[in-house]
Amino acid sequence: AQKITQTQPGMFVQEKEAVTLDCTYDTSDPSYGLFWYKQPSSGEMIFLIYQGSYDQQNATEGRYSLNFQKARKSANLVISASQLGDSAMYFCAIGGAGSYQLTFGKGTKLSVIP
Amino acid sequence: GAVVSQHPSWVICKSGTSVKIECRSLDFQATTMFWYRQFPKQSLMLMATSNEGSKATYEQGVEKDKFLINHASLTLSTLTVTSAHPEDSSFYICSAREHGADIHNEQFFGPGTRLTVL
Repeated sequence: AQKITQTQPGMFVQEKEAVTLDCTYDTSDPSYGLFWYKQPSSGEMIFLIYQGSYDQQNATEGRYSLNFQKARKSANLVISASQLGDSAMYFCAIGGAGSYQLTFGKGTKLSVIP
Repeated sequence: GAVVSQHPSWVICKSGTSVKIECRSLDFQATTMFWYRQFPKQSLMLMATSNEGSKATYEQGVEKDKFLINHASLTLSTLTVTSAHPEDSSFYICSAREHGADIHNEQFFGPGTRLTVL
């Protein structure tokens, strides 16, 4: 079984500042992938970034970077230079190599303050 | 990028009626599609995994006779909520994996369908 824990129900960040959203995981699969999705109030799930369990380097996609610490089983999302449009729910998810199903955390609601 | 559509985007129905939700991959072939349910202010919960040409695999606690899933082609999966009741009111989201993709490839999500049962 796989599990994702997001301990921050809500976060506030000042516009143009950086913010870190926490994510820890548990899995028995030797090969897995970690995903972050953004869900604005419209409900659509927007893919942000992916980290493979065997990737040596932390993933980066524009203003998004993933702080992957395998030994600690954490995959925190870092958003740099926050923008008002970043206000949304953020979900961390894990997928195993066997079933390709994704297990989601409870999410973190990010609010960017002007 | 890969696009997944859902229809309808929202639906209101009377208790006891059935509602069909379509999930289509518009520009790729989807071997596997997933159906999620999301209650307000909660996370996405996987309901079932749908593979083209075979029976869907339902998660524990999901009634397969109530939530009928059909994946008749590589671009279309349907979820039918039979005899809907107010407690079935939720946001239903589908996602699709491209044929041949491995775990390193993302799932592409549809925009969701908001179901309200009166």
